[in-house]
Amino acid sequence: QSVLTQPPSVSGAPGQTVTISCTGSISNIGAGNDVHWYQQLPGGGPRLLIHSNSNRPSGVPDRFSGSKSGTSASLAITGLRAEDEAGYYCQSYDSSLSAPYVFGPGTKVTVL
Amino acid sequence: QVQLVQSGAEVKKPGASVKVSCKASGYTFTGYYMHWVRQAPGQGLEWMGWINPRSGGTNYAQKFQGRVALTRDTSISTAYMELTMLTPDDRAVYYCAREYGGNYFDDWGQGTLVTVSS
Repeated sequence: QSVLTQPPSVSGAPGQTVTISCTGSISNIGAGNDVHWYQQLPGGGPRLLIHSNSNRPSGVPDRFSGSKSGTSASLAITGLRAEDEAGYYCQSYDSSLSAPYVFGPGTKVTVL
Repeated sequence: QVQLVQSGAEVKKPGASVKVSCKASGYTFTGYYMHWVRQAPGQGLEWMGWINPRSGGTNYAQKFQGRVALTRDTSISTAYMELTMLTPDDRAVYYCAREYGGNYFDDWGQGTLVTVSS
């Protein structure tokens, strides 16, 4: 059972915008800990997509954006493309846990 | 550029141990914590622990305490994850991941599939 919750799946047509939510609690996101997002393409490993709530590493298209408010965060993908079909995981830190680096269960994005 | 190259797939019997390596290049190995994260088939990501390559200090998730050991060899910029007393539930892809700072992982190894089967 993840301490961060995400919708299992979202879908959209090419060119549309999809948003993935990541809901935590006052012991992780709400405690001021940053949220980070990873993309996992089919058969591949995770790749850092957004760090520290809204920062894109170099090489990540600006179609990807992140935000955080209160105990939640969200990842938006605008101008959806076929190559965005992947799993997306949010991650934060929870000092109340023995395993403080916590991940959401992941969201599968399907491009229709 | 940063590269983390892991050892190949392993098949182990229940009760055995596995040791996975992660060779780092493109940066100062001792400058960044190395974490290990695993992913069971069709499942999400699960954090296992970290090692400070400079000091050798470690921190493990309670779930794996007593079964996991993270070590490193700074002379060859390589981190290791050893998991003992394997059960079929340990079947997963194991990733090493560098923590840049700020509690996130900016570079990942390609993953090592560990299969546990009698």
